[in-house]
Amino acid sequence: QVQLVQSGAEVKKPGASVKVSCKASGYSFTVYYMHWVRQAPGQGLEWMGWIYPNSGGTNYAQKFQGRVTMTRDTSISTVYMELSRLRSDDTAVYYCARDSGRDAFHLWGQGTMVTVSS
Amino acid sequence: EIVLTQSPDTLSLSPGERATLSCRASQSVSGSYLAWYQQKPGQAPSLLINGASSRATGIPDRFSGSGSGTDFTLTISRLEPEDFAVYYCQQYGSSPRTFGQGTKVEIK
Repeated sequence: QVQLVQSGAEVKKPGASVKVSCKASGYSFTVYYMHWVRQAPGQGLEWMGWIYPNSGGTNYAQKFQGRVTMTRDTSISTVYMELSRLRSDDTAVYYCARDSGRDAFHLWGQGTMVTVSS
Repeated sequence: EIVLTQSPDTLSLSPGERATLSCRASQSVSGSYLAWYQQKPGQAPSLLINGASSRATGIPDRFSGSGSGTDFTLTISRLEPEDFAVYYCQQYGSSPRTFGQGTKVEIK
């Protein structure tokens, strides 16, 4: 079954870091780009960037440059998104989403809720 | 960065009615690389339309997309109860990829 399964909910304090995982199954992991999109409570969708698992190449939205790091482990078909120096406005559901390269997001993970609170 | 503006913010309609959602881009979307997603409460978005007018796999034909350049439309010909949700447009022709703010289709 083709699917993306994300790690569970996280609660972090301001200033800390969070690392969310997204495990792919049912398809050739290295062929597709993986994007990260977040959604604050009651708000719209915000694109954060992508990683290309084949090469490890990345492209981050300017807003998150310097705070976000996307990595991958091809041995377990998993990508990671780490966000540092967390603030309360980073509280959101974080999604991974797959595309074949200049394509829409045909496949999404179930989302990971990250709560930043003191 | 291409800014996408959706209208209206909320659409109040009854089952069986026709829904017309608009997505306007601040500059031309190259290659008509425009997608529409549906999101229901507590769920991830799901792809409805890509390439401005191509239905994704398994999407019923009551959903249709049209447009090019800076003006795009999603039409739901006859609303079914399961169609009441939030809809987002997204451009994927240039980086950064951007989304519209969403249109909520609610039951009147």
